[in-house]
Amino acid sequence: AQTVTQSQPEMSVQEAETVTLSCTYDTSENNYYLFWYKQPPSRQMILVIRQEAYKQQNATENRFSVNFQKAAKSFSLKISDSQLGDTAMYFCAFMAGSNTGKLIFGQGTTLQVKP
Amino acid sequence: KAGVTQTPRYLIKTRGQQVTLSCSPISGHRSVSWYQQTPGQGLQFLFEYFSETQRNKGNFPGRFSGRQFSNSRSEMNVSTLELGDSALYLCASSPNPGTYEQYFGPGTRLTVT
Repeated sequence: AQTVTQSQPEMSVQEAETVTLSCTYDTSENNYYLFWYKQPPSRQMILVIRQEAYKQQNATENRFSVNFQKAAKSFSLKISDSQLGDTAMYFCAFMAGSNTGKLIFGQGTTLQVKP
Repeated sequence: KAGVTQTPRYLIKTRGQQVTLSCSPISGHRSVSWYQQTPGQGLQFLFEYFSETQRNKGNFPGRFSGRQFSNSRSEMNVSTLELGDSALYLCASSPNPGTYEQYFGPGTRLTVT
């Protein structure tokens, strides 16, 4: 069975600084996808960034980038130039290539950006 | 393009009752997945529908069921409600099962008293 672990329940960062959220996963599949979702206080789940396991290049979306270490089964999210609007709960999620339609989520990391 | 919509947004039910939640996917999206979010268990997959067929099911009791209509709209039903069913129920859509990105609706907050 696949599992996703986020070991940091809460984190905080000063506005304009950089923060990294950690995520590890366990799977025996070779084809899979990884995601970071953001859930602000409104509870609307927003896709932040995605990574295909077959791609070696780390995904980047504006201020958000990932460090994907396939051998270590690690998938961290780096937020640069943190903004107050980044305050939210962040979920790491896994989807097996053989089981599209089903996301497996980590426990989440609550990030607070301080002014 | 309008996002995923879920109705109702908030619901209060009594233990033992049943409830039906609705989800309308993004236009053109044909796959709908449902998730339950609770403080204790986190986000858990309930089931996924495509072309009116349930393709995948999570580890939930038979009290939880769903269906999908020809226009891709989906409903989930919970019968004989228990206090532990109080949760945020999230619906997500994607163009088809082979597309791995899912886009979420705002959720339905169900409170069972």
